[in-house]
Amino acid sequence: TQLLEQSPQFLSIQEGENLTVYCNSSSVFSSLQWYRQEPGEGPVLLVTVVTGGEVKKLKRLTFQFGDARKDSSLHITAAQPGDTGLYLCAPTDSWGKLQFGAGTQVVVTP
Amino acid sequence: DTEVTQTPKHLVMGMTNKKSLKCEQHMGHRAMYWYKQKAKKPPELMFVYSYEKLSINESVPSRFSPECPNSSLLNLHLHALQPEDSALYLCASSPTDYSNQPQHFGDGTRLSIL
Repeated sequence: TQLLEQSPQFLSIQEGENLTVYCNSSSVFSSLQWYRQEPGEGPVLLVTVVTGGEVKKLKRLTFQFGDARKDSSLHITAAQPGDTGLYLCAPTDSWGKLQFGAGTQVVVTP
Repeated sequence: DTEVTQTPKHLVMGMTNKKSLKCEQHMGHRAMYWYKQKAKKPPELMFVYSYEKLSINESVPSRFSPECPNSSLLNLHLHALQPEDSALYLCASSPTDYSNQPQHFGDGTRLSIL
């Protein structure tokens, strides 16, 4: 089992501010997925990154996969209250099992 | 609306009761999953079914018994649960159980053990 760290644990910001969430491991990921979970709902997939150095954009969300495939980040520009939720990174292993990070709770206030 | 449907949404049961959680998907996915999620924690994998066969059991106690009657349905039978089993139980599905496959989650069953 690879050691997986997600930071920060909690982030509270005002609408319009930017934020970054980090996901780091001591091992190399074959791929990594980011999910967002809103209260009372199941996680929803945001993106899958596979290639080292890859950058993917989803509207105001930018996902980066480290060159060595040991880390990833999620950057949100001009956050909105609708971005509130628990952000989970999840590397996949060769068996397709997801190992979720501890999660970052993001709260965006108007 | 989620494409993975879980019933019931809430369940309260005593430690001697027997109940079942149900999960249904009609996306043609051949891999289905059960996760357990405690408050303020990430989901933890319990079971994986691939093509209706149990492929992974993450050392889950036998008081949890999964069943996959067909490719669209996944059940989790509960018996003699403990208070620490109170949690949100999430079902998910993916096209296959291969790496990189996106998992589609239901909204979960919130289980309380009295």
